[in-house]
Amino acid sequence: GAVVSQHPSWVICKSGTSVKIECRSLDFQATTMFWYRQFPKQSLMLMATSNEGSKATYEQGVEKDKFLINHASLTLSTLTVTSAHPEDSSFYICSAPGLAGQETQYFGPGTRLLVL
Amino acid sequence: QKEVEQNSGPLSVPEGAIASLNCTYSDRGSQSFFWYRQYSGKSPELIMFIYSNGDKEDGRFTAQLNKASQYVSLLIRDSQPSDSATYLCAVVQGAQKLVFGQGTRLTINP
Repeated sequence: GAVVSQHPSWVICKSGTSVKIECRSLDFQATTMFWYRQFPKQSLMLMATSNEGSKATYEQGVEKDKFLINHASLTLSTLTVTSAHPEDSSFYICSAPGLAGQETQYFGPGTRLLVL
Repeated sequence: QKEVEQNSGPLSVPEGAIASLNCTYSDRGSQSFFWYRQYSGKSPELIMFIYSNGDKEDGRFTAQLNKASQYVSLLIRDSQPSDSATYLCAVVQGAQKLVFGQGTRLTINP
């Protein structure tokens, strides 16, 4: 099956610093990847759609200048949380469609971010 | 009205019984529906997807879809303690975008 990895699995940083999270498709190519955020005891909320070779599409209410997305290759998308604040502490999860045209998405293991 | 609604639970079921999880959605044009299981602290894992009205079975799991009623359900037969998790219903909207319900927390009691 399709495997998606994320790195790091958890990160603790000071307020005001930037944090980069990587999402990789290990055994398939993904022209599109999705970034979600999940706060405790809440469901997943889509933040943005990452498109290889073009700009990401952000959901309403998500600051594109704060959450920078780069999809530089067919197997790697990165999310950078710039000038992180404690309210950005969350579980960040990426996903990718498994096969071309298929709607099933496979999720990475997630990155837990704690901003002090 | 939320786009995808689930009863947040918790739902408590004795081991060996059938667990029934329900989901309703608001967009009548939705065509693709997914059930994910999420253990505490982990990311979601796909259990089943269903596109057509009726039942779809996979092992102990059965997904049921009724597009006229805008209703999707997941049945878990012979529930095991390892089935204790949060179950997320998701509906595709637009280009492969998944919209999730708030999840139902299921506890299987030994």
